Amino acid sequence: NAGVTQTPKFQVLKTGQSMTLQCAQDMNHNSMYWYRQDPGMGLRLIYYSASEGTTDKGEVPNGYNVSRLNKREFSLRLESAAPSQTSVYFCASSGLGELFFGEGSRLTVL
Amino acid sequence: GENVEQHPSTLSVQEGDSAVIKCTYSDSASNYFPWYKQELGKRPQLIIDIRSNVGEKKDQRIAVTLNKTAKHFSLHITETQPEDSAVYFCAASTKEAGTALIFGKGTTLSVSS
Repeated sequence: NAGVTQTPKFQVLKTGQSMTLQCAQDMNHNSMYWYRQDPGMGLRLIYYSASEGTTDKGEVPNGYNVSRLNKREFSLRLESAAPSQTSVYFCASSGLGELFFGEGSRLTVL
Repeated sequence: GENVEQHPSTLSVQEGDSAVIKCTYSDSASNYFPWYKQELGKRPQLIIDIRSNVGEKKDQRIAVTLNKTAKHFSLHITETQPEDSAVYFCAASTKEAGTALIFGKGTTLSVSS
């Protein structure tokens, strides 16, 4: 089992460009999440999906959109990237409580 | 919404000493409190968790205590080792376990030998 797989691992964007971070899990989990991690700020929840077909805003949703494509996949889209979105993004999934994280995607917006 | 405060932000101890990290939460409806460890350049991984119907839980050298009345919980690491050096995050959930976890800002633990 691969667990939680997210792509790409690294990306550099220019201000105003758009991109989509992809996430897939093979653990048959119902819930999936997107967090961003910035130095000294911990892990902040962007969006989550408690089950297929539902999505909810987290702590810092502005500038992002998500799609729960099916039970396995949960994507995060930046429509018009800003330097403030430079961060490490983690996708995660959970079944009975424990969050399983992907390896992270390091995004730099110039 | 839920707010989780974590202290201290950095903690340095000598090998063999104990380390304690404390967190407070704001929403009395929270019922699930996990702790995650993140080594440099790696993903966070669960090390221990506690639910609101339990006051303390131990797993070898680590333990977590929960005081629901005061809305705080703590991580205790005994006999620290250099490999315990990492960033530790506490978290709380207001819904079903694992849904909408809100994290503290993290504690960087350094264990020197």
